[in-house]
Amino acid sequence: DQQVKQNSPSLSVQEGRISILNCDYTNSMFDYFLWYKKYPAEGPTFLISISSIKDKNEDGRFTVFLNKSAKHLSLHIVPSQPGDSAVYFCAANTGNQFYFGTGTSLTVIP
Amino acid sequence: ETGVTQTPRHLVMGMTNKKSLKCEQHLGHNAMYWYKQSAKKPLELMFVYSLEERVENNSVPSRFSPECPNSSHLFLHLHTLQPEDSALYLCASSARQGGITDTQYFGPGTRLTVL
Repeated sequence: DQQVKQNSPSLSVQEGRISILNCDYTNSMFDYFLWYKKYPAEGPTFLISISSIKDKNEDGRFTVFLNKSAKHLSLHIVPSQPGDSAVYFCAANTGNQFYFGTGTSLTVIP
Repeated sequence: ETGVTQTPRHLVMGMTNKKSLKCEQHLGHNAMYWYKQSAKKPLELMFVYSLEERVENNSVPSRFSPECPNSSHLFLHLHTLQPEDSALYLCASSARQGGITDTQYFGPGTRLTVL
């Protein structure tokens, strides 16, 4: 049973607009959440993270929001740029275990 | 060379072959991981090594055998694989300094095809 879910396999956004990628999880023991970005033929690249004691973390154009009561995580990209087109994975960590979602493919249209 | 490197990038093998995947990290990290990514599935954590000791083995078949000779190198030895083992195998490392935050850095992966 998947403990981390990304229910939208793909998302298209116009350049300059906001991209919102969503992630849901089931395990309340997760204490650290991460977003990774993956280009074809490359490994995932760490993007941004958030600890379970926070509800928001911002880094430039990227902001991650955590709603623990809803077990929901989202990544906001503002403004979106064509170079942001990639597959985005959310991940959750507890102890030695890391759980990943299936990814959302973001396309930013120029 | 920086970051996490993996060799080979592509591997085609028969079911009776024996091969090894290699991972090397140049980040001074003390934890290393093997993941399997199959099509349309999430990344599956296979093995975790911390300070060269295996700390997790997530019910992985014995035809996959990891080896961590030191904190910079990680191998995945493969023998008598099945076609369903065809996937992208990713290596990652992390600093594992304690506390609850531990960010992993990934290599580019080895695309494995089992015929």
